[in-house]
Amino acid sequence: GAVVSQHPSRVICKSGTSVKIECRSLDFQATTMFWYRQFPKQSLMLMATSNEGSKATYEQGVEKDKFLINHASLTLSTLTVTSAHPEDSSFYICSARLGSANYGYTFGSGTRLTVV
Amino acid sequence: TQLLEQSPQFLSIQEGENLTVYCNSSSVFSSLQWYRQEPGEGPVLLVTVVTGGEVKKLKRLTFQFGDARKDSSLHITAAQPGDTGLYLCAGPKTSGSRLTFGEGTQLTVNP
Repeated sequence: GAVVSQHPSRVICKSGTSVKIECRSLDFQATTMFWYRQFPKQSLMLMATSNEGSKATYEQGVEKDKFLINHASLTLSTLTVTSAHPEDSSFYICSARLGSANYGYTFGSGTRLTVV
Repeated sequence: TQLLEQSPQFLSIQEGENLTVYCNSSSVFSSLQWYRQEPGEGPVLLVTVVTGGEVKKLKRLTFQFGDARKDSSLHITAAQPGDTGLYLCAGPKTSGSRLTFGEGTQLTVNP
């Protein structure tokens, strides 16, 4: 089955620094990947759609300059949280789909970001 | 407003009991999907229902898609502590569109 690998699983960083999260499709090519944010006891909130070879599409209210997305290859998308602040602390999850959205999505294992 | 209304939001039951989680919308979906998520992990796909009226069974789990493709339900028979987790319904409006999630149902099955 399709596997999406996400790294790191946990990261602690100081306020003002940047953190990069990687999302790799291991056994398939993903022209589109999705980045979500999840707060405790809540559902997933779509942040942006990552498109291979082109600019990401951000959801309303998500700062493009704050959350930089790069999708340089068919198997790798990265999310960089720039100038991190404590309010950026959250669980970030990436996902991809094999074909039609009706087939379901495969999710990474998530990254717990803590900004101190 | 939430496109997919999921209920209940929290459910705490004893081992052996049955339960049903509902996912409702005023919009038609191309399909509805159910995911289960454990703490510190990403969601895992349980099932996708595509045809209106479709019923799918996965051992003790039964999934149903409404005739009008606007709602779905998940029924668990004889719940076990291992069923504990966050259950999420989600769906794309069309086969090529992004996924919309419900608010989730946090299920706790007590031994």
